[in-house]
Amino acid sequence: DIVMTQSPDSLAVSLGERATINCKSSQSVLYSSNNKNYLAWYQQKPGQPPKLLIYWASTRESGVPDRFSGSGSGTDFTLTISSLQTEDVAVYYCQQYFNTPYTFGQGTKLEIK
Amino acid sequence: EVQLVESGGGLVQPGGSLRLSCAASGFTFSDYWMSWVRQAPGKGLEWVANIKEVGSEKYYVASVRGRFTISRDNAKNSLYLQMNSLRAEDTAVYYCARVGVIQLWPHDYWGQGTLVTVSS
Repeated sequence: DIVMTQSPDSLAVSLGERATINCKSSQSVLYSSNNKNYLAWYQQKPGQPPKLLIYWASTRESGVPDRFSGSGSGTDFTLTISSLQTEDVAVYYCQQYFNTPYTFGQGTKLEIK
Repeated sequence: EVQLVESGGGLVQPGGSLRLSCAASGFTFSDYWMSWVRQAPGKGLEWVANIKEVGSEKYYVASVRGRFTISRDNAKNSLYLQMNSLRAEDTAVYYCARVGVIQLWPHDYWGQGTLVTVSS
């Protein structure tokens, strides 16, 4: 199974500042045949289901604000929130869908400093 | 509007069984792979199982293989999870989630979840 490891486990950032969350996979999730990284990011607010933010490592889901961006390739990925807003307080998960079992990172809790 | 509504959760004793359902609407259900994903109280997300559009392929996480069975009824736009030999560690909120028209795709829509509690 592919192990996904996020860092940090928790993060406190001031409003308007940049937040950066990292995700590392135990093996590459890049398919050479189509040059796509099978990596997604989800946001989960308390009492709600997860919401898809980013897929193919860097493609924003429709309706997701452009302050959210994803980058990286192979085994190392980053989710960046360029200017933190109050409504961004949540737990963020990365997930690989390169193969089954799909696996998630342990989550990063993002709070306001 | 895509909607996924889970039902069937509840309290069950260890060793017992439960069947979860997920009613889908707002999209052509028979075109999509579907998954069950669970979240233990205060913990992270764990993918449980998925099923091909026509039900001919099914995959499970190792911890539930042989105990859980995923199925679907495309005529009823419904997804199911039959859970047998339940253990305390199966206690979680179970989410139904839409995958894509192919298996290797992110989960783009999720239901609100149904809570399963395994306890004596």
